[in-house]
Amino acid sequence: QKEVEQDPGPLSVPEGAIVSLNCTYSNSAFQYFMWYRQYSRKGPELLMYTYSSGNKEDGRFTAQVDKSSKYISLFIRDSQPSDSATYLCAMTWYNNNDMRFGAGTRLTVKP
Amino acid sequence: TAGITQAPTSQILAAGRSMTLRCTQDMRHNAMYWYRQDLGLGLRLIHYSNTAGTTGKGEVPDGYSVSRANTDDFPLTLASAVPSQTSVYFCASSEQGWNTEAFFGQGTRLTVV
Repeated sequence: QKEVEQDPGPLSVPEGAIVSLNCTYSNSAFQYFMWYRQYSRKGPELLMYTYSSGNKEDGRFTAQVDKSSKYISLFIRDSQPSDSATYLCAMTWYNNNDMRFGAGTRLTVKP
Repeated sequence: TAGITQAPTSQILAAGRSMTLRCTQDMRHNAMYWYRQDLGLGLRLIHYSNTAGTTGKGEVPDGYSVSRANTDDFPLTLASAVPSQTSVYFCASSEQGWNTEAFFGQGTRLTVV
């Protein structure tokens, strides 16, 4: 079993839809939870990060962490074609160099 | 701002040959990393460096070596390439040795035949 599990999709939604992306994990030591966005043939870039459990909102994006269930989510409201990308969850703990990534979910938002 | 520059962008390499993937950053970050990205497996850490002169092993270090002679450069060397090293390689950096935000280069697509 992989330490971080993420459904690879692909996921296709119409413009304006609410998108839900999810990851589960097995290592209870993880404290910091990140979402990276990766456009085709580009390097990943940080979208959001959350410490421990709770919600964090940034514009159309909301990140949720449920440590009791070892489950994290990223919601995208009013999705746009420019949101079409692969979304990678990542997690680590304090002072740990080895950030663990999910396999990534490929999202397409159709106009 | 250039950020992180990787070279080459792509390469086809014969099995058994050696190759060095280059990575340079202009952000004066202390920490640098090498990841490989494979379909279905995501990004996996190969080696890292918290500061110039130090390096450490990540999740999948076998067959790779790194050096960190100065702050800006972090080359990755494959001494004797094998087909299983076919992958997309990303160099990344962060301000400190542990950070939630890593800045990634554009990647090097390597095919070992």
